[in-house]
Amino acid sequence: SAVISQKPSRDICQRGTSLTIQCQVDSQVTMMFWYRQQPGQSLTLIATANQGSEATYESGFVIDKFPISRPNLTFSTLTVSNMSPEDSSIYLCSVPGQGASGELFFGEGSRLTVL
Amino acid sequence: LAKTTQPISMDSYEGQEVNITCSHNNIATNDYITWYQQFPSQGPRFIIQGYKTKVTNEVASLFIPADRKSSTLSLPRVSLSDTAVYYCLVAPGADKLIFGTGTRLQVFP
Repeated sequence: SAVISQKPSRDICQRGTSLTIQCQVDSQVTMMFWYRQQPGQSLTLIATANQGSEATYESGFVIDKFPISRPNLTFSTLTVSNMSPEDSSIYLCSVPGQGASGELFFGEGSRLTVL
Repeated sequence: LAKTTQPISMDSYEGQEVNITCSHNNIATNDYITWYQQFPSQGPRFIIQGYKTKVTNEVASLFIPADRKSSTLSLPRVSLSDTAVYYCLVAPGADKLIFGTGTRLQVFP
């Protein structure tokens, strides 16, 4: 299993500002995934962050809005830029398990409220 | 990636067995079926995974018919702490997992 720590756990932000969420994993992993979960909704994949290359974004998400860094195999950041109330969500970092079948481990999430 | 369909919600009482069925008609040959559990204010947690027939662990059982177009998560003797959202996913691995709407299970005393 993997232990994932996210910071901040929650924050209240003003419209137009940006916030960076950090994700630290206790083991080296090639892929890290960032998900968003809007209130009462399911999870939506934002992007895949691979160490040493640009993140791959899913449809509807762009790098200018959600820049991602992946400086090493245990750490990643997601920035939510120029926030609006529609960005109020839980942002989750996840990593795959070591097995071949594709279990995902998730952090506790970062709950952002944009006023 | 195969799309899944689950009931939006289910209610049960403590001590009962709960069966949540997921439809995945377009499942591919190399897809696994995986179930996750999510409590409020927490990230999803892996429960069980299978490819075919039946899989059982300390938490749940997963029943998969021969055609693999559906699967049933079985939770024996649920307790209040099993109140959560349960997600069924089908995919060949952990890359780009797509979460459906999930099933919100409410367990009553």
